[in-house]
Amino acid sequence: TQLLEQSPQFLSIQEGENLTVYCNSSSVFSSLQWYRQEPGEGPVLLVTVVTGGEVKKLKRLTFQFGDARKDSSLHITAAQPGDTGLYLCAGVNGNTPLVFGKGTRLSVIA
Amino acid sequence: EAGVTQFPSHSVIEKGQTVTLRCDPISGHDNLYWYRRVMGKEIKFLLHFVKESKQDESGMPNNRFLAERTGGTYSTLKVQPAELEDSGVYFCASSPGQRSYNEQFFGPGTRLTVL
Repeated sequence: TQLLEQSPQFLSIQEGENLTVYCNSSSVFSSLQWYRQEPGEGPVLLVTVVTGGEVKKLKRLTFQFGDARKDSSLHITAAQPGDTGLYLCAGVNGNTPLVFGKGTRLSVIA
Repeated sequence: EAGVTQFPSHSVIEKGQTVTLRCDPISGHDNLYWYRRVMGKEIKFLLHFVKESKQDESGMPNNRFLAERTGGTYSTLKVQPAELEDSGVYFCASSPGQRSYNEQFFGPGTRLTVL
């Protein structure tokens, strides 16, 4: 069974601070997705990383896929209250179902 | 373009009762998925339709769960009879074309509480 461990589980920071959340597995994935979910809504795809070592930037968010394609990180620079939400990673392997982590719940305080 | 919609948004039922959840995917999306998140756990895959056919139902917990997608449009997920452990948030997602496990668009979920 493939598992994705996300850390930290909860994170509360002040506006303007930087943060990194992690998504780790003992399994290799062909790609990895990051989602953000807000209360009362479903997860929304932010990015898919495909190549080992790949780095993708989405404004203040930087996503990295580990060289061995077993782990990923999400770094947010100068966090803003609008970044508050649940961040989920999900592993993809061909046409097998998505495997989700439990998520990191981020709260950015103004 | 309308997103994935789910009905109802919340359902509270008693153990032993039947509940039917509905999902309307984005128009034209052949792939439709059901997921469930139980409190404190990760979102878990239940099943995948391609048009009206069940492509993968390996995540369905047991035979109390029945999913249908007649005509390849909307889908229903029926739980009969419901048990306490069925409580959770049920998400539906859809995606277009053949790259079925990329670019999934999720609905807002149905929160099911079984008392």
